[in-house]
Amino acid sequence: DSGVTQTPKHLITATGQRVTLRCSPRSGDLSVYWYQQSLDQGLQFLIQYYNGEERAKGNILERFSAQQFPDLHSELNLSSLELGDSALYFCASSATSGGGPDTQYFGPGTRLTVL
Amino acid sequence: GEDVEQSLFLSVREGDSSVINCTYTDSSSTYLYWYKQEPGAGLQLLTYIFSNMDMKQDQRLTVLLNKKDKHLSLRIADTQTGDSAIYFCAVPGGSSNTGKLIFGQGTTLQVKP
Repeated sequence: DSGVTQTPKHLITATGQRVTLRCSPRSGDLSVYWYQQSLDQGLQFLIQYYNGEERAKGNILERFSAQQFPDLHSELNLSSLELGDSALYFCASSATSGGGPDTQYFGPGTRLTVL
Repeated sequence: GEDVEQSLFLSVREGDSSVINCTYTDSSSTYLYWYKQEPGAGLQLLTYIFSNMDMKQDQRLTVLLNKKDKHLSLRIADTQTGDSAIYFCAVPGGSSNTGKLIFGQGTTLQVKP
């Protein structure tokens, strides 16, 4: 158990809908990361928040947004969902803002299926 | 941008050594990482190496870094069936004060009894 929790574990929804994925980091960790894992794209970095502020951005679609709250939990919002958004979404947390070596601890993931 | 490449599949017999290879493009990477993903689980950090090192050993794991060729390898000695998993090489992909990681496609290690 990494100490990072993600809810829900599974999510099935329809195209055009909007969903929210939730992540609670390990106690004491200030950074939260979101990654998308799919068969065709592999594991892709989406976004990093550090202590409530956006720190780094990857290939995150404009339909996707995230935030980190004062209690450090984070939410990833996916809207206008398309079939291609079906993937495993991982949250990770780490103690610092990065620069290494900074171990990222991964949650178990949320499997999103868009029908 | 940064690109990280790995072979997709490796099959070995129990007790043999496994060598998983990775190449990357950005020579400014300071730390390079190996993660392991077991079926149905998230990733867990196995080990990392600092870019000024050529080799790092950690029990059954040996990491070799060839900076000139931008080549990283992970050797698992005495491979066990419990080592069957997907192994990811990862390098920093952002500025020095971010934790953004670029992952390879992952190498599926199959260990036959």
